[in-house]
Amino acid sequence: SAVISQKPSRDICQRGTSLTIQCQVDSQVTMMFWYRQQPGQSLTLIATANQGSEATYESGFVIDKFPISRPNLTFSTLTVSNMSPEDSSIYLCSVENTGELFFGEGSRLTVL
Amino acid sequence: GQNIDQPTEMTATEGAIVQINCTYQTSGFNGLFWYQQHAGEAPTFLSYNVLDGLEEKGRFSSFLSRSKGYSYLLLKELQMKDSASYLCAFGSSNTGKLIFGQGTTLQVKP
Repeated sequence: SAVISQKPSRDICQRGTSLTIQCQVDSQVTMMFWYRQQPGQSLTLIATANQGSEATYESGFVIDKFPISRPNLTFSTLTVSNMSPEDSSIYLCSVENTGELFFGEGSRLTVL
Repeated sequence: GQNIDQPTEMTATEGAIVQINCTYQTSGFNGLFWYQQHAGEAPTFLSYNVLDGLEEKGRFSSFLSRSKGYSYLLLKELQMKDSASYLCAFGSSNTGKLIFGQGTTLQVKP
């Protein structure tokens, strides 16, 4: 298994600001992902965080809005830039380990 | 294309059995996953099927038919704590990613 720590767990943000979410894993993992879960909806993959290179973004998500860092095999950050109320969501870090996908507790962002 | 579908809501009685269905379409299939998510918490892994048939794990069982693009999660002896959202997801062999369904919110009543 993998233990994933995310912070902040929740935050209230002002429109137009940016917030960086951190994800720390207790072991080295190759695959790290960032998901978004909007209210009442399922998980949508934002991007795959690649160690040492630029993240791979899914359709509908761009680097300028969701810059991602992956400096090593245990850590990643996701920034939600220039936030609007539509960005109010839970953002989840996940890692693939031995065929399973493990999730962090999520960061619940509310944009006013 | 790829898509996945499951019912939005279900209600069942404590002690009963409930089956949550999931249908999917993909050109490259790399397993079917079920996750449980309690309100306000992260999803937790329940089961993984890559071959046809039934996988049993305690009160929970998961079934897969690859030819039909169909899976179900069977919950027996329902308990109040089983009230949660159940997410079906398939692994895409083309991309190595998981594609999630919308989730089924199960409410267990006394």
